[in-house]
Amino acid sequence: DAGVIQSPRHEVTEMGQEVTLRCKPISGHNSLFWYRQTMMRGLELLIYFNNNVPIDDSGMPEDRFSAKMPNASFSTLKIQPSEPRDSAVYFCASSTTGSPLHFGNGTRLTVT
Amino acid sequence: GEDVEQSLFLSVREGDSSVINCTYTDSSSTYLYWYKQEPGAGLQLLTYIFSNMDMKQDQRLTVLLNKKDKHLSLRIADTQTGDSAIYFCAEYNDYKLSFGAGTTVTVRA
Repeated sequence: DAGVIQSPRHEVTEMGQEVTLRCKPISGHNSLFWYRQTMMRGLELLIYFNNNVPIDDSGMPEDRFSAKMPNASFSTLKIQPSEPRDSAVYFCASSTTGSPLHFGNGTRLTVT
Repeated sequence: GEDVEQSLFLSVREGDSSVINCTYTDSSSTYLYWYKQEPGAGLQLLTYIFSNMDMKQDQRLTVLLNKKDKHLSLRIADTQTGDSAIYFCAEYNDYKLSFGAGTTVTVRA
């Protein structure tokens, strides 16, 4: 079991650029979550997918953020255009319904 | 609504026991979790407890749940330097996991 795999581990980009974060959930898990972690706000749930369908995107900050899950083994979180206040660590997590979430190691995003 | 609170810092001597406390507000939470985060890493699931239990022990870890007071604690026996990390309490309701701000545990020699 390779765990939840996220890429890249670090991303540094300039304000206004598009950023795409990637996640491969654990095989067999049907739920996928994107979280954002900052010092000021802690861990925030951005979006939740169940069986590849977005169920709750109420945590997505604004229209600049979008997430997709085209199949059971891949998800992306895109920020376009990026802003300095988007700098954070973005975590992907997966689970089977009702079981504990397993987290990836995160993508540290820095927007200058 | 969901609101999970925990103290921000704990300093403990190596070999002593650590106790990390957490309070939550959602009485319909089905599970309560403890996660550990080391620097630069993701969140590692340590242990969890069903809401109909009041205690769970797993090697050096003991979880106590007081559902009436909505209070959860994690006790780490014989704390070691490798236990230095941030510990997050989280409540699970429906599909949502709501986290506390995390308790930074520092183990001193």
